[in-house]
Amino acid sequence: RKEVEQDPGPFNVPEGATVAFNCTYSNSASQSFFWYRQDCRKEPKLLMSVYSSGNEDGRFTAQLNRASQYISLLIRDSKLSDSATYLCVVNGNYGQNFVFGPGTRLSVLP
Amino acid sequence: EAGVAQSPRYKIIEKRQSVAFWCNPISGHATLYWYQQILGQGPKLLIQFQNNGVVDDSQLPKDRFSAERLKGVDSTLKIQPAKLEDSAVYLCASTQFPRPTGENYGYTFGSGTRLTVV
Repeated sequence: RKEVEQDPGPFNVPEGATVAFNCTYSNSASQSFFWYRQDCRKEPKLLMSVYSSGNEDGRFTAQLNRASQYISLLIRDSKLSDSATYLCVVNGNYGQNFVFGPGTRLSVLP
Repeated sequence: EAGVAQSPRYKIIEKRQSVAFWCNPISGHATLYWYQQILGQGPKLLIQFQNNGVVDDSQLPKDRFSAERLKGVDSTLKIQPAKLEDSAVYLCASTQFPRPTGENYGYTFGSGTRLTVV
């Protein structure tokens, strides 16, 4: 089993739609979780951290389920500018060693 | 705050040649990483430094890849000799020590070096 797995995608959604991405991780000792966004031919950029209680930043909501080793990202009211690849990131065996999932590509269509 | 600086942005070399990449992290960031990202995949960790010491290099192909961070600030990654499968984007990232609660900060990435081996 891979350390971090994500929905394979791509997701093609119309503007204004709500879309959810799922991510599972294998290391039960992981403590830090993030979602990154990567635009085509650009470096990944931190979108949001994921906290145990769940957290929201505008149209974006992240949830963590430690028992199921599962993370989700919900995007409401999708914009064209949300089109990107979304990477799930989990810390690995060493505290600050982070493992990236393969990413899920989102295309928001007009 | 200045970001993570990387150079060069692009490099094209022939197989069996050598190449070196340079990274200068954000000032004060003790932890520095090199990642390899092959097209269509997520970044894969090559090596992690904390100050000038190696924390994890378990996925670094040591027969051809080497990296150093001699003064605990900037770092170089070298490939010698390069193979076709080394064609990828090489990303450098840095981060601060964890919060007192143990919670980690996220990374900041540089813009990467796109390597093409022909």
